[in-house]
Amino acid sequence: NAGVTQTPKFQVLKTGQSMTLQCAQDMNHEYMSWYRQDPGMGLRLIHYSVGAGITDQGEVPNGYNVSRSTTEDFPLRLLSAAPSQTSVYFCASRATGSNEQFFGPGTRLTVL
Amino acid sequence: AQSVTQLDSHVSVSEGTPVLLRCNYSSSYSPSLFWYVQHPNKGLQLLLKYTSAATLVKGINGFEAEFKKSETSFHLTKPSAHMSDAAEYFCVVRPNNAGNMLTFGGGTRLMVKP
Repeated sequence: NAGVTQTPKFQVLKTGQSMTLQCAQDMNHEYMSWYRQDPGMGLRLIHYSVGAGITDQGEVPNGYNVSRSTTEDFPLRLLSAAPSQTSVYFCASRATGSNEQFFGPGTRLTVL
Repeated sequence: AQSVTQLDSHVSVSEGTPVLLRCNYSSSYSPSLFWYVQHPNKGLQLLLKYTSAATLVKGINGFEAEFKKSETSFHLTKPSAHMSDAAEYFCVVRPNNAGNMLTFGGGTRLMVKP
């Protein structure tokens, strides 16, 4: 199994540009989520999904959209990037009934 | 609501000496607790977890943590630090009714001196 994969690894955007961060998992996990990591703040939950077709907001959802059309994929969209969205983004997945989250390697995003 | 406080943002130890990384939590419901490690430019790796079984939890690489409900603490320890332990460590809480809602502490950067 590849586990949780994320693309791209690095991205630089200009303010106002849009882009999609990709996340995929091959473990048939129902739960998937997106976090952002900022210095001194740990990881904060942006959006999460409990299954295909179901998404919900986390702690810091503003400026981000998600969709979950398949069990495997959970893309994160930035419609109009802002410098405040400069961060490292992690995708994670978890099986129903399990406490263990599996994290992807992260995407480092810089918004100029 | 839940919260996690990692009491030290940086900890420096000498190789071969004990490691103590402190974590206090608050949770409205009986929690599951985790420690994750993140090496530079890497993703997060699960070190250990507490899920209401034994209060002393052993993890990978010689780390262990003790859940103390009366103190709302879940401190991470290791008897003897190794250079490869240098990394950032995150204490995480998940209330057992909270679905996917993990709450992370701010992280503790562990430095190991030769």
